[in-house]
Amino acid sequence: AQTVTQSQPEMSVQEAETVTLSCTYDTSESDYYLFWYKQPPSRQMILVIRQEAYKQQNATENRFSVNFQKAAKSFSLKISDSQLGDAAMYFCAYVNAGGTSYGKLTFGQGTILTVHP
Amino acid sequence: EPEVTQTPSHQVTQMGQEVILRCVPISNHLYFYWYRQILGQKVEFLVSFYNNEISEKSEIFDDQFSVERPDGSNFTLKIRSTKLEDSAMYFCASSVWRGNTEAFFGQGTRLTVV
Repeated sequence: AQTVTQSQPEMSVQEAETVTLSCTYDTSESDYYLFWYKQPPSRQMILVIRQEAYKQQNATENRFSVNFQKAAKSFSLKISDSQLGDAAMYFCAYVNAGGTSYGKLTFGQGTILTVHP
Repeated sequence: EPEVTQTPSHQVTQMGQEVILRCVPISNHLYFYWYRQILGQKVEFLVSFYNNEISEKSEIFDDQFSVERPDGSNFTLKIRSTKLEDSAMYFCASSVWRGNTEAFFGQGTRLTVV
């Protein structure tokens, strides 16, 4: 079974600064996908960024980028130029690309990000 | 932009009552899911559904739970006899395919069992 661990229950950052959220995972699979989801106070789940395990290049989406270290099974999220609207709970998630797990997402425990003006 | 729609947004029910949570997935999506999030905890997988049958279910998804796609557009989660510990946020999600495509989440239904 796959597990996802987020070791930082809470993080804070000053507006316009950069923050990195950590995530590690454990799997015996070689083909999988990793995601970061944002959950604002409304509790809607919003996809922030996706990484394919077969790609060596780290994914980027505007101010959001990841540092994917496949051998270390690490998948951190970097938020640059933090904005007040980035304040939310962030979840790291894993899904197998094949096999019998039909798109089942496994989530980490979440990291609450506070952005200070 | 297409979205997953869940109703109701909040439901309060008496312990032991049956509840049905409703979801309208994105129309061209083939895979449907229910997840649960107890307040302050992580999001947990309940069940996945494809081709009108359950593909996978977690240990949480016991005989008290059932899912159905009654009319080709709605996707429902039924809890037969609710318990206090069923109080949680329930998220429906859908995806075009499994694994490698984004799962789009609905806004959630907050279930409160009293």
